[in-house]
Amino acid sequence: GDSVTQMEGPVTLSEEAFLTINCTYTATGYPSLFWYVQYPGEGLQLLLKATKADDKGSNKGFEATYRKETTSFHLEKGSVQVSDSAVYFCALSDRQGGSEKLVFGKGTKLTVNP
Amino acid sequence: GAGVSQTPSNKVTEKGKYVELRCDPISGHTALYWYRQSLGQGPEFLIYFQGTGAADDSGLPNDRFFAVRPEGSVSTLKIQRTERGDSAVYLCASSLTGQGTDTQYFGPGTRLTVL
Repeated sequence: GDSVTQMEGPVTLSEEAFLTINCTYTATGYPSLFWYVQYPGEGLQLLLKATKADDKGSNKGFEATYRKETTSFHLEKGSVQVSDSAVYFCALSDRQGGSEKLVFGKGTKLTVNP
Repeated sequence: GAGVSQTPSNKVTEKGKYVELRCDPISGHTALYWYRQSLGQGPEFLIYFQGTGAADDSGLPNDRFFAVRPEGSVSTLKIQRTERGDSAVYLCASSLTGQGTDTQYFGPGTRLTVL
């Protein structure tokens, strides 16, 4: 079945550092791709998404580009802030089984120090 | 507007007991999903409703798990004869139509602990 693999954490950075969190996927069709974020004590919320190849999703300074040739959707931010500390989940929508359920990676915990 | 709400936020029960977890989706959303998140893992799909019907229940681990959505809005996840391995955070999400490009909006989750 479809699957998502994202880089193992935890990741610890200093404020204003560059962030990359790698995500690759396996899918039989043409899924939509998502990054969700979970801030401490809060629920999962959508950070950005891309629905077809070469699309770039962006939000709050984060970006990710849907690369079909490398089956990747890496998350990047040029200058992280302490408030970006959270767990980040890469996910794809899986159309198998008649539903558009999300298949998630294991998550990457990011800590940004001042 | 109001987001997805889930009750209770925490549930502690004893092995063998029956539990019900409730999800109230965003008003007007026809699609509703249940996921389960174990510690250190990403959420795993359990069941998907389109309106009142369970369109995909392929993620339910066994027949102790059951979910309903009788009026196409609120959903209840029911777990019979709970086991310690059922301990996890149960997440509910809703989306407007259920299409793959739709954003799924998640509730805060119910943390279930089976002693």
